[in-house]
Amino acid sequence: AQSVTQPDIHITVSEGASLELRCNYSYGATPYLFWYVQSPGQGLQLLLKYFSGDTLVQGIKGFEAEFKRSQSSFNLRKPSVHWSDAAEYFCAVGAVKAAGNKLTFGGGTRVLVKP
Amino acid sequence: EADIYQTPRYLVIGTGKKITLECSQTMGHDKMYWYQQDPGMELHLIHYSYGVNSTEKGDLSSESTVSRIRTEHFPLTLESARPSHTSQYLCASSLGRVGIETQYFGPGTRLLVL
Repeated sequence: AQSVTQPDIHITVSEGASLELRCNYSYGATPYLFWYVQSPGQGLQLLLKYFSGDTLVQGIKGFEAEFKRSQSSFNLRKPSVHWSDAAEYFCAVGAVKAAGNKLTFGGGTRVLVKP
Repeated sequence: EADIYQTPRYLVIGTGKKITLECSQTMGHDKMYWYQQDPGMELHLIHYSYGVNSTEKGDLSSESTVSRIRTEHFPLTLESARPSHTSQYLCASSLGRVGIETQYFGPGTRLLVL
């Protein structure tokens, strides 16, 4: 069965500083990987996804993520954070089952942005 | 922007009441999902549907039930709410026949059972 670990529960970063959120996955085949963001009181919004091809994936809001098979990682990065980036971020791995698709989510990383 | 809606957004209800959480999507997606998310925790899949009249239980056991009579509608029902059901419930949908497709999420329903 697949699993996702987000080692950092909370991260505090100053506005304008860079941000990197870690994600490690466990899956027996080629993974399908996602990053979602959840603002307070909201649902999840897709930031980016990796299915195949270029291992550096660009997403919305200036985010990017790099798939590293050798490290089983899919870390999310942003060069310069904005106060509006304060939210909870979830990494997820997708598995194709015989009857369809399922996502497994990590525990999330809450990002706080200091002025 | 995904067109998936959930009502109510917030619900406070007493123990023993029957409740139905509504989820609808206007994107024509064939697959729909219900996740449960406790505060500050990850999402757990509790139900999913691959089409009309198709429903399956997810990874996390839940006392709730679902139905899929119409493509666009996937309601979740609790026959007798208990305080242990207090949580946030997120609905999602996706479209595709082969491989992995992106799941789009609704805004969620925060349920508090007193």
